[in-house]
Amino acid sequence: DAGVIQSPRHEVTEMGQEVTLRCKPISGHNSLFWYRQTMMRGLELLIYFNNNVPIDDSGMPEDRFSAKMPNASFSTLKIQPSEPRDSAVYFCASRGRTSGGRSGANVLTFGAGSRLTVL
Amino acid sequence: AQSVTQLGSHVSVSEGALVLLRCNYSSSVPPYLFWYVQYPNQGLQLLLKYTSAATLVKGINGFEAEFKKSETSFHLTKPSAHMSDAAEYFCAVSLNQAGTALIFGKGTTLSVSS
Repeated sequence: DAGVIQSPRHEVTEMGQEVTLRCKPISGHNSLFWYRQTMMRGLELLIYFNNNVPIDDSGMPEDRFSAKMPNASFSTLKIQPSEPRDSAVYFCASRGRTSGGRSGANVLTFGAGSRLTVL
Repeated sequence: AQSVTQLGSHVSVSEGALVLLRCNYSSSVPPYLFWYVQYPNQGLQLLLKYTSAATLVKGINGFEAEFKKSETSFHLTKPSAHMSDAAEYFCAVSLNQAGTALIFGKGTTLSVSS
């Protein structure tokens, strides 16, 4: 398996532009997570999906952020309009299911991240 | 809600010295605990995890961690540091239930000097 694939790896854009980050999880994994990493805040959970359904989006900073998972093999995180304070590395991670509802013990596999710079 | 606190944002050791990275957790139910490592410009990789079996957990690259319920701690150790251990280390917690997310601490940067 190629692992979790994120694109683009680097994005530089100007304030006010729309940004779309993409993620392809590991085949067969049923949970997908979006995290944001900054020096000030560390790793923050933005949103996660189970079986393509958003479970908790309380970490999404504001309405400018939206995430979708139209099918089991693809997810997007969109920022519109982007602002300089959105500059960060955005990570996608996926996790497989476990029988008996103990998926919390399963390991998250992370993508390499998308480094976003908003000028 | 669960959370983790990593004590010390930066730890410096000499090559060959003991590595000790501290993590304390907060959880209303028995948690699952993890340590991840991040090398520069890379994603996070799993070092080890605790899932309510043995309290002393051995991971990759000679690292181990001990779950201490009485102290709500899950500190990461390695007897002898190597230059290649220089990286950022994250402690994380999740719950023993379906569909739970992984919550990370703020990370500890480990520097190793020769």
